[in-house]
Amino acid sequence: DAGITQSPRHKVTETGTPVTLRCHQTENHRYMYWYRQDPGHGLRLIHYSYGVKDTDKGEVSDGYSVSRSKTEDFLLTLESATSSQTSVYFCAISLQGDEQYFGPGTRLTVT
Amino acid sequence: AQSVTQLGSHVSVSEGALVLLRCNYSSSVPPYLFWYVQYPNQGLQLLLKYTTGATLVKGINGFEAEFKKSETSFHLTKPSAHMSDAAEYFCAVSEWNTDKLIFGTGTRLQVFP
Repeated sequence: DAGITQSPRHKVTETGTPVTLRCHQTENHRYMYWYRQDPGHGLRLIHYSYGVKDTDKGEVSDGYSVSRSKTEDFLLTLESATSSQTSVYFCAISLQGDEQYFGPGTRLTVT
Repeated sequence: AQSVTQLGSHVSVSEGALVLLRCNYSSSVPPYLFWYVQYPNQGLQLLLKYTTGATLVKGINGFEAEFKKSETSFHLTKPSAHMSDAAEYFCAVSEWNTDKLIFGTGTRLQVFP
């Protein structure tokens, strides 16, 4: 299994608060991705990174920001959490930008 | 824009029966194609992938998929379902000239004894 961890694994927060999710890899893969998974929508890309300090937006990036200061860490921040951001968030990594390996997920509930 | 369509959000089979999960994609160039499986409360796990070469691809747990360019399909099959195959399955296609994947909306497979 790819060495990918996500923290926290579960979080409940209130509307309007900032939230940061962390993805950590031990594989030294160049690419890292953040997805959200919602019933009926499959996986939707939020942001991704193709190197340290190199990031780009995905299809559902509004309300989210990311940072990657080290190869191994990719942070996802919800600047001001809303109930529509209640979801399961997955991090993925890729060596060459093709097949991806996924972390265990973070279940976020915004009340 | 490229897209992936998985026909049937739910598929039910009896243990020992053939499993067929359908995936069609739209792409103007030959894509890379993937099937992932997700067990409850877990992340996605790569089942198999097609890049180039042989169009019949074998994956883990007895699954295989065939790339048919003329039909723009990449259906997933398994000759004999097992109870442990119950999970959600996602088809994905590489987006042309990017480092991203486009996922289908998933098919939940139920296996009855």
